[in-house]
Amino acid sequence: NAGVTQTPKFQVLKTGQSMTLQCAQDMNHEYMSWYRQDPGMGLRLIHYSVGAGITDQGEVPNGYNVSRSTTEDFPLRLLSAAPSQTSVYFCASSYRRTGGHYGYTFGSGTRLTVV
Amino acid sequence: GDSVTQMEGPVTLSEEAFLTINCTYTATGYPSLFWYVQYPGEGLQLLLKATKADDKGSNKGFEATYRKETTSFHLEKGSVQVSDSAVYFCALLPNTGNQFYFGTGTSLTVIP
Repeated sequence: NAGVTQTPKFQVLKTGQSMTLQCAQDMNHEYMSWYRQDPGMGLRLIHYSVGAGITDQGEVPNGYNVSRSTTEDFPLRLLSAAPSQTSVYFCASSYRRTGGHYGYTFGSGTRLTVV
Repeated sequence: GDSVTQMEGPVTLSEEAFLTINCTYTATGYPSLFWYVQYPGEGLQLLLKATKADDKGSNKGFEATYRKETTSFHLEKGSVQVSDSAVYFCALLPNTGNQFYFGTGTSLTVIP
């Protein structure tokens, strides 16, 4: 049981390049999310999904796209990288049970630098 | 809207000292409340949670009680260890919807 797997762990991009951050979970969780973590700002939600084929925007969605074709995978696409997207990105998954969520399981993160 | 406010850091304590990290929230109804911990270079791990008023979450010697009257969920530990050095995040999940709201995190350093 691998949990939530993110790849790559580190990435350097040039301004204007595009790339996809991968996220996969093997726990059959219906909910998945992408967050970015910046110093002094905690975690901010980029996009989330409540199930295959369903996605929605979070607090800071501009410059990012997502899709959810399967329960397991939830890739995050940077369309045209900008220095403001330099951050640590976390993918998370969860499921809902009676009484509320048990909390998200987080991946180990992708550290992205845009130069 | 829904939000979480937690005490600013960094916090530096000597080993075996008592720890309190304050967390207050704003939300309608009865949200679920969480504490997450992030060790250096790692992702966030669930530390404890509480889903209704007066619930006490506990794990690894840490405790937090869901106080509806003061809208608080303060994290406490009676005797910290060097291995507790990490960043601690308070988080809220509203009783409707799927979006978590995180505090900005509190960095804790425990010195021998």
